Amino acid sequence: AQSVTQLDSHVSVSEGTPVLLRCNYSSSYSPSLFWYVQHPNKGLQLLLKYTSAATLVKGINGFEAEFKKSETSFHLTKPSAHMSDAAEYFCVVCPGGGNKLTFGTGTQLKVEL
Amino acid sequence: DTGVSQNPRHKITKRGQNVTFRCDPISEHNRLYWYRQTLGQGPEFLTYFQNEAQLEKSRLLSDRFSAERPKGSFSTLEIQRTEQGDSAMYLCASSPGLAGVTGELFFGEGSRLTVL
Repeated sequence: AQSVTQLDSHVSVSEGTPVLLRCNYSSSYSPSLFWYVQHPNKGLQLLLKYTSAATLVKGINGFEAEFKKSETSFHLTKPSAHMSDAAEYFCVVCPGGGNKLTFGTGTQLKVEL
Repeated sequence: DTGVSQNPRHKITKRGQNVTFRCDPISEHNRLYWYRQTLGQGPEFLTYFQNEAQLEKSRLLSDRFSAERPKGSFSTLEIQRTEQGDSAMYLCASSPGLAGVTGELFFGEGSRLTVL
């Protein structure tokens, strides 16, 4: 079985401050892990992916995530938040080489001036 | 626009009616997926096609739900005898390869169903 737990349903930061969105995973197999972003009235978009290569993964728009097997975590970070980062973020797990993505419940990121 | 296209974007129907959603994937993608998203939840897997073959169905896909991809291009998702619990956003996605390997599904903007 595989699952992800997003530890915060809502995160609020000030523009220019760091962002941390937390995700823990559970998987019976070597997982592939992803972060997707959903802006209002837009389709889900892939931010970044981990597929057993480098544990520190860089994505689009300055986001990155670190795979930590010992902590079963895949937290998403960004050094400096921008107003355009306000959206819902989903942590996603897929068994390695598999096809079925399992989404977390999402974290709503709010960026304030 | 050559992305994933879904129609209609919004559908309001009365309980007991049938509804059909259409998805046009990115043309060169042979894999097509349907997901359902309810308020406050992440998308949940419903079913998956490779070309015209439906290879996997979730237990969420009751007998009232049927999905087809007759020519390996567009797909339809039909819900018969709709219930209020069917109200959700229905998402379609496509990919050129195994999601766990390529890492990316390309999602449409979704079809929102409201059952009164």
